[in-house]
Amino acid sequence: EDKVVQSPLSLVVHEGDTVTLNCSYEVTNFRSLLWYKQEKKAPTFLFMLTSSGIEKKSGRLSSILDKKELFSILNITATQTGDSAVYLCAVEPNNDMRFGAGTRLTVKP
Amino acid sequence: NAGVMQNPRHLVRRRGQEARLRCSPMKGHSHVYWYRQLPEEGLKFMVYLQKENIIDESGMPKERFSAEFPKEGPSILRIQQVVRGDSAAYFCASSPDRRSGYTFGSGTRLTVV
Repeated sequence: EDKVVQSPLSLVVHEGDTVTLNCSYEVTNFRSLLWYKQEKKAPTFLFMLTSSGIEKKSGRLSSILDKKELFSILNITATQTGDSAVYLCAVEPNNDMRFGAGTRLTVKP
Repeated sequence: NAGVMQNPRHLVRRRGQEARLRCSPMKGHSHVYWYRQLPEEGLKFMVYLQKENIIDESGMPKERFSAEFPKEGPSILRIQQVVRGDSAAYFCASSPDRRSGYTFGSGTRLTVV
């Protein structure tokens, strides 16, 4: 059974802190891993990762994939209150998408 | 706890037919969200429902699409007179309330031929 596990489930930090969100997966066939940020309704796409060891960056966010150990991390440096959201990890085994339960990040001023 | 169940996993329809997609939320979850994912695009919000009520349908196309979440049974996303452009993956998510995180289903992949 395909599985995507995110940890921690929730996290509370203060502005300026650095956070690392984890996503591990077990799928029968792997195409890509995606990270989304969800604040209200529609998740906002962050990164798509397909190759191991290649870091993707966007401002204060970065992510990397390890296909050997079957996990990915999402880093956020110098966190801001606007980073408060649920961060979703999803894996595309074939044409479907398997989502993790998400990590709820709360950044306090 | 079986999680959010969507069925069917794959659905093939000919142009002009109707498509019905079902979503059974997690036990204890009364909020349901439908999303559409088109090829090469991210998830797009369609509609948010609570039991027997449509709360927000701002992402729903004005014609041919409808959704319901009856008192008993699953939430249904209905697409009438399907066209090729409706081919996409449709995801359902549920939550116990508006503040909690979402649990997503595995999606229904609709192919219109």
